[in-house]
Amino acid sequence: NAGVTQTPKFRVLKTGQSMTLLCAQDMNHEYMYWYRQDPGMGLRLIHYSVGEGTTAKGEVPDGYNVSRLKKQNFLLGLESAAPSQTSVYFCASSYRGGGNQPQHFGDGTRLSIL
Amino acid sequence: GQQLNQSPQSMFIQEGEDVSMNCTSSSIFNTWLWYKQEPGEGPVLLIALYKAGELTSNGRLTAQFGITRKDSFLSISASIPSDVGIYFCATVDTGNQFYFGTGTSLTVIP
Repeated sequence: NAGVTQTPKFRVLKTGQSMTLLCAQDMNHEYMYWYRQDPGMGLRLIHYSVGEGTTAKGEVPDGYNVSRLKKQNFLLGLESAAPSQTSVYFCASSYRGGGNQPQHFGDGTRLSIL
Repeated sequence: GQQLNQSPQSMFIQEGEDVSMNCTSSSIFNTWLWYKQEPGEGPVLLIALYKAGELTSNGRLTAQFGITRKDSFLSISASIPSDVGIYFCATVDTGNQFYFGTGTSLTVIP
């Protein structure tokens, strides 16, 4: 049972390039989330999904797009990468929403934009 | 978005010491969560609190939900080297959006 798996683990991009981060969960969770983690700022929610085919904006959605075509996968896209998007990205999932549903996190993707 | 302030920002303690950290917000919340993150990994939930004044323990960890519902506290007793990591508080609003604190980095010196 892998839990939440993120790929890739590391990536270096040039400004203006595009890429997609993949998150996969095998726990049949309804809710999935994408966060970014920057030094001194904790985790900030980018986008989230409450079920297959649905997405919603979080606290810092600008410059990112997401898709949830399959229940087990949640994709985070950067159409035109900028240095300000250099960060560690974490995906999480939970059975349902709300504070009484613990979020399970992946191990992160470290992304550097040059 | 909501801002959760954690203090202290970092702590260096001797093995065996007790440690406390806190988290405050400007808004009232009905849920407080404490996570631990080890290097190279994602956060892992330690304790969840759902009621003002609630005190919950998980082994050597104890967390409390502040009476004002604007703060929470985490303490670790008799620290050991594997307690090293960054501890985050988190909460969730009525729209199911989660907010995380800035983190407290803990270093335990053997």
